[in-house]
Amino acid sequence: AQKITQTQPGMFVQEKEAVTLDCTYDTSDQSYGLFWYKQPSSGEMIFLIYQGSYDEQNATEGRYSLNFQKARKSANLVISASQLGDSAMYFCAMREGQRAGSYQLTFGKGTKLSVIP
Amino acid sequence: KAGVTQTPRYLIKTRGQQVTLSCSPISGHRSVSWYQQTPGQGLQFLFEYFSETQRNKGNFPGRFSGRQFSNSRSEMNVSTLELGDSALYLCASSLAGDRGQPQHFGDGTRLSIL
Repeated sequence: AQKITQTQPGMFVQEKEAVTLDCTYDTSDQSYGLFWYKQPSSGEMIFLIYQGSYDEQNATEGRYSLNFQKARKSANLVISASQLGDSAMYFCAMREGQRAGSYQLTFGKGTKLSVIP
Repeated sequence: KAGVTQTPRYLIKTRGQQVTLSCSPISGHRSVSWYQQTPGQGLQFLFEYFSETQRNKGNFPGRFSGRQFSNSRSEMNVSTLELGDSALYLCASSLAGDRGQPQHFGDGTRLSIL
């Protein structure tokens, strides 16, 4: 079974509108972290937002917010007031309770977001 | 503060050759991870190094190896290159400790095998 599922291969959004990118995850760990990254066509991966499994509040970072529903194992990214520069691939990733300290992210397949002027 | 630097940006090799990719992490970051990104398989974890020790390894053949130096710089080596090794190789660094620390990625090395 996939650990991170992003069901929307591609999405379109009108400039200045809000958009939600879906992410569901699968883990048996109690302690884990969820991340969203943006990858423009140039290739670099840009960190957007983080949500810890024990965080009670949904994370927010500027125009980005994370709709975290732990019971449903979903961590959807909400981008408000879309801009043309938001056109990119978006990846959801999870860091599980690896052995002490080690760092490994598991990524979803990504969602390609296109912002229409 | 300088970001993660990967060299070279582009590389063309032929089957059977070997290649070494380099990564300089953000100053102060001691954890360095490598990922392979292909259109078919997506982003896959290769390995992670911390204080010159490999802490974690993904499901890749032994042709893929790496190392980390005392200044936290890391290299990744692929021997006996195959066509399927054509990919974007991304290096990421992070601070140790808190699970909430994000990995910061470099621009990647795009490797093409002819």
